[in-house]
Order: sequence, then C-alpha cells, then structure tokens
Amino acid sequence: SQQGEEDPQALSIQEGENATMNCSYKTSINNLQWYRQNSGRGLVHLILIRSNEREKHSGRLRVTLDTSKKSSSLLITASRAADTASYFCATDRGGYSTLTFGKGTMLLVSP
Amino acid sequence: EAGVTQFPSHSVIEKGQTVTLRCDPISGHDNLYWYRRVMGKEIKFLLHFVKESKQDESGMPNNRFLAERTGGTYSTLKVQPAELEDSGVYFCASSTSTDTQYFGPGTRLTVL
Repeated sequence: SQQGEEDPQALSIQEGENATMNCSYKTSINNLQWYRQNSGRGLVHLILIRSNEREKHSGRLRVTLDTSKKSSSLLITASRAADTASYFCATDRGGYSTLTFGKGTMLLVSP
Repeated sequence: EAGVTQFPSHSVIEKGQTVTLRCDPISGHDNLYWYRRVMGKEIKFLLHFVKESKQDESGMPNNRFLAERTGGTYSTLKVQPAELEDSGVYFCASSTSTDTQYFGPGTRLTVL
C-alpha cells in the first residue's frame, strides 16, 4: 500500500450524520495534513497535526493521530451536503520534505 | 490576500504538442511545489523550488518535463512533447516554511 492511504475509498451518508475517514502511512512523519477537494476545484487545507500531537479540533472537524499504529482519522460531525468532496491525507517527514498523498476518500452527503 | 493561482484551468492538446502551465504562488512564499494527479491514482510530487532554485526534482517523470521559476516568483512547467500518459491534473502549492502548503485550483491537462 502507499504512504498515506485512506479508507474507505468511498463513503455515502445522510446529512446530519458523522463521517469518519482513516489514513494509514508507513514511514515516520513530521506532520500529517488533511485536504479536501471539491469536484473540479483545488485542494483546500483543512487541518495539520504534528507528530507529537494526538488530537486536534477545528470547527466540525476532529483529527486524531496514532503514531504507534501509523494512522490518523478525520471525523466530520453533523455533515452537510456541502461536505461532499474527496478527502486526502498527506504526510511529510520534516525539513524540506514534500507531501506524500493517498488516493483519497470520496464522501457523498445526501440531503 | 490572493491564493495560489494557476493558468490555464484546462488544456486540451494533441500528442506531440507542447504545453506550458503557469503557477503564481502566494506573495512572499519562497517555497513552490508542483504535484500531479493522474486519474484514479494518488497525487504525486513532481518538484520543489526554494525561491528560484530547484530544491528537489526527484518526482519529475522524465526529461520531457521542464520547470522554471525565474526571479523566484511565478513558475512554469513545460511538457514537450506531450504524451497520452501526461494527462491529469497538475497542482501547484506554495508555503512560507515547511508546514502547511496552500494549493492552487489545478490545471486539467488532456492529451489526445
């Protein structure tokens, strides 16, 4: 599997429900970031969590990081139709290292 | 503050032709990155500039790709000659440090 691999690949829920996406990676990291891409648009940065952090919140987003399991999760609470997008996790190894992305999770939120 | 901009948003060319993509980073961002997403696959790193210097170009697929960043401001990525497998979305990102990278809307390249 690739560094920064998300699951599930696709997720379909109803408005108001919570959505959880997971990301696993293989090598040690400095930071892990989550991005969102709406159809045909660019990547929007959602949240960054550092390797020494375990949990972070931003609005309806909650990110956890377990470096012992090399995994992270993104929880979107009270989802809205506007949350429909592809979500990617990306890792870096510090310094000038670049981002390594997974294939993403496609989230569909139905009204 | 303006975000990262990319031009064009879409480009359709024939195999063998040349295409030049442009990226304007956020003002003051010394770091500029190019990434590419081929359909159905993950977003992959192409190269990284720090100001006008290439810090890392390990992701460039072959010598048909040429990136420049003259003056340390905007960057161009030229594909010459284009092949079918070059089709995809090309993203540019910029940052002030080694943390958050801010991405542009991407250029969708279709090679026929």
